[in-house]
Amino acid sequence: EVKLVQSGAEVKKPGESLKISCQGSGYNFLSQWIAWVRQQPGKGLEYVGLIFPGDSDTRYSPSFEGQVTMSADKSLGTASLHWSSLKASDTAIYYCARAQIYSGGVLERFDSWGQGTLVTVSS
Amino acid sequence: QSALTQPRSVSGSPGQSITISCTGTRTDVGGFNFVSWYQHVAGKAPKLIIYDVTKRPSGVPDRFSGSKSGNTASLTISGLQAADEADYYCCSYGGWYIILFGGGTKVTVL
Repeated sequence: EVKLVQSGAEVKKPGESLKISCQGSGYNFLSQWIAWVRQQPGKGLEYVGLIFPGDSDTRYSPSFEGQVTMSADKSLGTASLHWSSLKASDTAIYYCARAQIYSGGVLERFDSWGQGTLVTVSS
Repeated sequence: QSALTQPRSVSGSPGQSITISCTGTRTDVGGFNFVSWYQHVAGKAPKLIIYDVTKRPSGVPDRFSGSKSGNTASLTISGLQAADEADYYCCSYGGWYIILFGGGTKVTVL
C-alpha cells in the first residue's frame, strides 16, 4: 500500500525557520516525483512545487520560487519543505502528494496524498 | 498563469446529477488531455477521482465522470449522495512543469 506520512503540526513565530517532512512507503520512493500543495485557511489548493527524490531535481511554481526550499533525503525516504524565515502568510496546511509525471514535466495525476501538516505562524 | 475557474458552489438533492465546470485556456485545459479532479473533505487528504479527463482510478464509483469541451473540463456526479459533500478541485497540466489548480467548488447535498 502506498503511504505518505507527514510530520506533525507546527507553531512558529514570524522570522523563524522550519522544515516539514513527508515519508513515503509501499513503493520505490526514489523513482516518483513528490509534489507539495498549500491550502491557506478558507482557500483552495495551490501547487507549490515538485521534487524527484532520486536526484533531487526540483521544479517550483513561480509563485513559490524563492519563498520555500524543497529537498529530499534518499537514505530516510523523505521529502522536505523548508522555510528560512516564516511569515504570517505561510500559515496553511501543506500536503505532499505522489505525482505521476511523464517526460517533459507532464503531470498526469496526484495519486496518493499525505495527511497534511498544519503550519501556524503567529507572534 | 492564472488558476482555473470553477464555480464556488454547486448543490443538488440526493439522487440528482450535478456538474462542476473547470475553465482554463488553450494553453492548459484546452491544449492537453491531462485534467484531473480531486475530492477534498475538510481535515482529510484530497482524493483523486478523475484523471486524464475521463479516467477513474480503481475504487472510485462510476457515478463520477469527467469530460472536456474546448477549454472547459467538467466533473459530473450522478446519483448524488450525502457522502459526496466535499470540496472538488480540478487540476491541469499547463506546459513544461506548469501545474494549475482550480479555485475549488463546494458541493452541498440538500
